[in-house]
Amino acid sequence: DTGVSQNPRHKITKRGQNVTFRCDPISEHNRLYWYRQTLGQGPEFLTYFQNEAQLEKSRLLSDRFSAERPKGSFSTLEIQRTEQGDSAMYLCASSATLGLAGGGPAFTEQFFGPGTRLTVL
Amino acid sequence: GQQLNQSPQSMFIQEGEDVSMNCTSSSIFNTWLWYKQDPGEGPVLLIALYKAGELTSNGRLTAQFGITRKDSFLNISASIPSDVGIYFCAGQRKAAGNKLTFGGGTRVLVKP
Repeated sequence: DTGVSQNPRHKITKRGQNVTFRCDPISEHNRLYWYRQTLGQGPEFLTYFQNEAQLEKSRLLSDRFSAERPKGSFSTLEIQRTEQGDSAMYLCASSATLGLAGGGPAFTEQFFGPGTRLTVL
Repeated sequence: GQQLNQSPQSMFIQEGEDVSMNCTSSSIFNTWLWYKQDPGEGPVLLIALYKAGELTSNGRLTAQFGITRKDSFLNISASIPSDVGIYFCAGQRKAAGNKLTFGGGTRVLVKP
């Protein structure tokens, strides 16, 4: 399977514990996005990387959240001192640069992974 | 929070019926997209719209990008049981890193 993969698929943790999720994007996709989706809502943007550089972080990403993409391939999202409000589905998506077009680089669509569902007790 | 207003929030369908949903925004987007999400999975792209006024079809799906760049609709014709799921609209801006801004979703259910 050459799609986006995420591990683990499910994580149950106690409040105050740290958790780390991993995303493996489609090979050679240089952009990687993290989104969070709470029950009954659409996904909300958290942060994105171009290669290993983290280019933007949402205000939703509090100081307890950190994301890395050290070699420009897989990415990790860590949540420290988890709170019950962190319970959500965490989605990863990747896209590739198509080349330069009028107005800047063009990218393929974002392909989503299956998500990691976090439950904080 | 969500910047896109999607309606209806839910609807019941009977096999063979046509289904319609729409999305509005207070901001302009370069691209409008429609996704479907099945339980326990990530969203899957159905249709992408790149030009204001564009009308695009993909099988039984038809979507239009509003002329003001602030709205879009999705129609599903002759619905079948596998059309059940949650449909999301999303807007995208090049200047904003192409990150997606999603609507709240339309849950399509089968009439009992």
